[in-house]
Amino acid sequence: QVQLQESGPGLVKPSQTLSLTCTVSGGSISSGGYYWSWIRQHPGKGLEWIGYIYYSGSTYYNPSLKSRFTISVDKSKNQFSLKLSSVTAADTAVYYCARAAGSNYGYFDYWGQGTLVTVSS
Amino acid sequence: EIVMTQSPATLSVSPGERATLSCRASQSVSSNLAWYQQKPGQAPRLLIYGVSTRATGIPARFSGSGSGTEFTLTISSLQSEDFAVYYCQQYNNWPRGTFGQGTKVEIK
Repeated sequence: QVQLQESGPGLVKPSQTLSLTCTVSGGSISSGGYYWSWIRQHPGKGLEWIGYIYYSGSTYYNPSLKSRFTISVDKSKNQFSLKLSSVTAADTAVYYCARAAGSNYGYFDYWGQGTLVTVSS
Repeated sequence: EIVMTQSPATLSVSPGERATLSCRASQSVSSNLAWYQQKPGQAPRLLIYGVSTRATGIPARFSGSGSGTEFTLTISSLQSEDFAVYYCQQYNNWPRGTFGQGTKVEIK
């Protein structure tokens, strides 16, 4: 059973860089066949995908978001990470990591529990 | 960007009744459509992918149908644990998948 777990600070000051890590267990990122992704949900709102990464390091980002996001992978630790620079209050949200599956890696079959990130001074 | 529109925003249903949720795409997404269930304080859970294929462990009372731009999630007989928010998601133009705004299924 694949499990994902987000970790990182719950509180970040405006203009700082947010760093989150997703640890995958029950499966290896290096085995391929899946993209690994970050999705966020603003308080009381819907879901917004941020980006994807493959084990090779290939990434895709949501073009609707400003290019402040960086996703990376650490195969040795079976983790992938999200960095968001120059955060503002508008980045306050629950951040989820998820596995993108299917023949076209389109749907998310496993999710982390989510981590609430609040941007405030 | 493909816009996904769900209706209604809120659906009030009595336990044991049938619930029908709709999702419309601004352009054809073929069969690349998934549904998720989200309960308060929890992550979304994949229910359906490929329009009508139930994910592992999902009860048979959940079914999906549709094609092109019009899709439906049906819960045949609502159980207490089914009251939640449901999201549709298109992944036809991957990686630019988009979610609907959600339908809340509440107890009538």
